[in-house]
Amino acid sequence: DQQVKQNSPSLSVQEGRISILNCDYTNSMFDYFLWYKKYPAEGPTFLISISSIKDKNEDGRFTVFLNKSAKHLSLHIVPSQPGDSAVYFCAASNSGYALNFGKGTSLLVTP
Amino acid sequence: DAGVTQSPTHLIKTRGQQVTLRCSPKSGHDTVSWYQQALGQGPQFIFQYYEEEERQRGNFPDRFSGHQFPNYSSELNVNALLLGDSALYLCASSRDFYNSPLHFGNGTRLTVT
Repeated sequence: DQQVKQNSPSLSVQEGRISILNCDYTNSMFDYFLWYKKYPAEGPTFLISISSIKDKNEDGRFTVFLNKSAKHLSLHIVPSQPGDSAVYFCAASNSGYALNFGKGTSLLVTP
Repeated sequence: DAGVTQSPTHLIKTRGQQVTLRCSPKSGHDTVSWYQQALGQGPQFIFQYYEEEERQRGNFPDRFSGHQFPNYSSELNVNALLLGDSALYLCASSRDFYNSPLHFGNGTRLTVT
């Protein structure tokens, strides 16, 4: 049973524009959410996280928004750069230990 | 500062065999988790080790077992391999505080024929 869903398998954005990656979850007990970025032949790299007590967290070009009532979070990348091209995974936790991952969204940033 | 290292990088085994994968955590980390990533899927939690004990386990059969050593390194063992065990196995380490972000290794690609 997929508790974290990324419904867009892929996204293409022009360099300099905003990239918005979406994620939905079904378990209302999740209290911590993360985004990971993965390049081919590498492990996932931690990008940004947000606790359920917040609705926004910002780190440089990356901002994560959390809408608890809709069980939805999104990652905004502004401005997008070609080096941002990768697979992005949304993950959620309700125990502080195990992470539940979505299937990922492949982002392509074109020059 | 070395990150999470895993060995081997690739492995080919025959159905029914047993396999051992190894992981050294990032310096300063004392907690190790293992994930399985099948093709086209997100990583799935197998289990987590802390203080040499299995602290939490995901929905994986007993054929999957692990161990953590006093130096915090860890092994993942899979017995009686099935074709469906073919996947990328990711090790992740973290510090032991609530919601400490996981740092992943590059994984071991296991192919079962």
